[in-house]
This record gives sequence, C-alpha cells and structure tokens, in this order.
Amino acid sequence: AAGVIQSPRHLIKEKRETATLKCYPIPRHDTVYWYQQGPGQDPQFLISFYEKMQSDKGSIPDRFSAQQFSDYHSELNMSSLELGDSALYFCASRWTSGKFNEQFFGPGTRLTVL
Amino acid sequence: AQKITQTQPGMFVQEKEAVTLDCTYDTSDPSYGLFWYKQPSSGEMIFLIYQGSYDQQNATEGRYSLNFQKARKSANLVISASQLGDSAMYFCAMREGRDRDDKIIFGKGTRLHILP
Repeated sequence: AAGVIQSPRHLIKEKRETATLKCYPIPRHDTVYWYQQGPGQDPQFLISFYEKMQSDKGSIPDRFSAQQFSDYHSELNMSSLELGDSALYFCASRWTSGKFNEQFFGPGTRLTVL
Repeated sequence: AQKITQTQPGMFVQEKEAVTLDCTYDTSDPSYGLFWYKQPSSGEMIFLIYQGSYDQQNATEGRYSLNFQKARKSANLVISASQLGDSAMYFCAMREGRDRDDKIIFGKGTRLHILP
C-alpha cells in the first residue's frame, strides 16, 4: 500500500540558510499535517492543510512557511535556519472520511543545522 | 497543562512477558480519539492502535490491546508476549479538535527495553 513520502530523508544545512522539505500524502488523503520532533522530545504540531487551505496552526516559527499544492503535496519552507531547528520533521496525511481519523506518518526528514 | 501524561520514562521487561505502558489524558471534549505510536531507533512513527471515545469495547490489534478506562481518563497500552523487536519509544497521543481542524497531541513517551 502507498505510504506518505517525504523528501529528502536527511538534510544538512548551515545556520542562516534555507531549507525546503517535501511531503507527498497517501493518494485520496485530503489533509496534511507537519510535526517537529526535537532530539529526545515528543513531536509538536506545526501546521495543517485541508484541501490546499491552511486549517490549523501550532507552534510554527514565523521563519517557517508551508503550503499545499494542487496535487496535494505539501512543502515546508524554513528560512534563516538556527541550530535549534535541528530536528526530525514528520509529515502526516489523513482522509477525513476515513474510519479511524488516523493520521498516517511519513518516515520523516532529519534536518541537521550546523 | 499536559494533556497526555506518560509517567514511565523508561521500562525494562524480560522477553515474552506482558508489558503495560501507562497513559492518562485530559480533555473536556466528549468526542476524542486516542492513539499509540511506536518509534524505533530508526525514527519512523508507526501507528499501533486507536481507541475512539465512544467505542464500547477496548481496541485490540494483534499483540496490542488498549485498556481504556474512560472514567479514569486512562488509555494504557498492553503488549502481550513481548519480543526483542518491541524495544522502542512508545508515544500515547490524543486527537484534539474536530474534522479538518484536528491535530495530534503527544505524550513525552516511554522508552521500552526488552531484555533477552
């Protein structure tokens, strides 16, 4: 079965650089979520999109922005990277008419800021 | 205030024994969902089991079962006949919000070590 795809899987950037993380949800899933998991931390919700519109926003820094495109893939853009942005970034997708309201998580992108 | 509380930062269990991972939650919404996820050292987040607030029976998925005590607001995960491959971080989580405005709130996790 198709799963959530995230690219790249690993990314190394310098401070003050920009990064773009991509997420391809499971086909037919209409909602995409982004989470940030710092080292030794639990995942924290950043932002979500439903049918290409932003639906909810969590603790996402102003330096970050995200959007969902017409093909439902989503991108998380991160500018002026800081050391504290080093984390595992998860994308999850859901079909709002699904049985469990389950969010299916992608494998994550591990971002390291040097 | 913490909405999902996992009081066991780490646990060591002998292989083949049953394991109970504790989770309590806090919400005033009558409609909510509870999840357990497994995160091995490789980092991926693996869905294990789901319990809806209106579900009459405790959820079960293979060796995983969820001991749902609604009045106590607890949703403990029980793993029967533990295996070495069960060693991982386990997160209890709750769906907060409705429909398209929902998000998942995670607990701090329990690191489970299965001993041979």
